[in-house]
Amino acid sequence: TQLLEQSPQFLSIQEGENLTVYCNSSSVFSSLQWYRQEPGEGPVLLVTVVTGGEVKKLKRLTFQFGDARKDSSLHITAAQPGDTGLYLCAGDTGGGNKLTFGTGTQLKVEL
Amino acid sequence: NAGVTQTPKFRILKIGQSMTLQCTQDMNHNYMYWYRQDPGMGLKLIYYSVGAGITDKGEVPNGYNVSRSTTEDFPLRLELAAPSQTSVYFCASSLLAGGGEQYFGPGTRLTVT
Repeated sequence: TQLLEQSPQFLSIQEGENLTVYCNSSSVFSSLQWYRQEPGEGPVLLVTVVTGGEVKKLKRLTFQFGDARKDSSLHITAAQPGDTGLYLCAGDTGGGNKLTFGTGTQLKVEL
Repeated sequence: NAGVTQTPKFRILKIGQSMTLQCTQDMNHNYMYWYRQDPGMGLKLIYYSVGAGITDKGEVPNGYNVSRSTTEDFPLRLELAAPSQTSVYFCASSLLAGGGEQYFGPGTRLTVT
């Protein structure tokens, strides 16, 4: 059973545009991570959010954890071709030793 | 540090064959994981381990087996390969449980025909 749904599944935009990716669940998470995966490589951690309502910024990327800790969003400002990749959210329910990964958002940024 | 290494990078198996995917980490992490990823999709957990000698099933364990005799190594065994096991397999390790950062290997692309 997939607990984390991401939207949109695919996104193709032009360089300079803004975008938002959503990660939603009916479950409460003690923490939530965002990873980026480039073709032919494993995912790499971007950020971890822990507190409900928390906002973290990483250069042009802004991450928000929902107040109820059931959802999260990733906003990219002025997207660049280097932002192209598969974005994955992953949640820790706090009851085990593993993460649940989302369905993924494939982003392509064109010149 | 090499981080997490996986071998082989690519493999083609015939239906019914068996193979072992190797995974080694040099970060002294207790937690290790095996995932499979179908094209453009998220990761599904196959098996995981919280330390040497301890393994547990994930979301999709059928058709796979694992062992963890040392902290460094976490091999994944496929018995009687089936086309449904065509996928990219990632091994990961983590210092902390659950919400800890996971470090991934480069993946093994497996095709079963």
